[in-house]
Amino acid sequence: VQLVQSGGGLAQPGGSLRLSCAASGFTFSDYNMCWVRQAPGKGLEYISHITSTGSETHYGDSVRGRFTVSRDNAKNSLYLQMNSLRPEDTAVYFCARGTAWLFYWGQGALVTVSS
Amino acid sequence: EIVLTQSPATLSLSPGERATLSCGASQSVRRGYLAWYQKKAGLAPRLIIYDASTRATGIPDRFSGSGSGTDFTLTISRLEPEDSAVYYCQQYHVSPGFTFGQGTKLEI
Repeated sequence: VQLVQSGGGLAQPGGSLRLSCAASGFTFSDYNMCWVRQAPGKGLEYISHITSTGSETHYGDSVRGRFTVSRDNAKNSLYLQMNSLRPEDTAVYFCARGTAWLFYWGQGALVTVSS
Repeated sequence: EIVLTQSPATLSLSPGERATLSCGASQSVRRGYLAWYQKKAGLAPRLIIYDASTRATGIPDRFSGSGSGTDFTLTISRLEPEDSAVYYCQQYHVSPGFTFGQGTKLEI
């Protein structure tokens, strides 16, 4: 099982970024997927998750209305579209398999929001 | 939302000693839907314990989890220097989503 992330980087306040998470080694369409982040010096924070078929999505209060999670089961890929970015969104973002206990994680992608 | 409170914030121990980390929940975490993670700088979290007391694959038996309801414990016996990390508890009983505690920093 591998989850390989891409798409982090620097964005200005109010800007947008899209994170990707490419899955391999398992049947991607069988699993819910989630996003978790860790801001500098802070703890782990649930961001969002999406069900296996993509029919349901959920968000943490801090990102609801600004971030959108999606998936393409044909491409074995998970996405996080981040709009209206704020400095407090600066963090390392992780994708992970599942929505209960999380054994498989991506390597993390640093997102920095600064002018 | 279930709020998880971990204690102590920091724990400093010597190699060979035993560490006891606590996680308290603001309401009952039914079915023991609680996990523990080890987090080191620059790395993804590593699952240690799930369902309150089941060790994840590849985790040595020095690590054990216990508890139910609102009080959970992670015990690490025979501490080794590589156990130095921040440990987080996570509840996945109340959906959608899940929550983490604020972490305990373990210094060996």
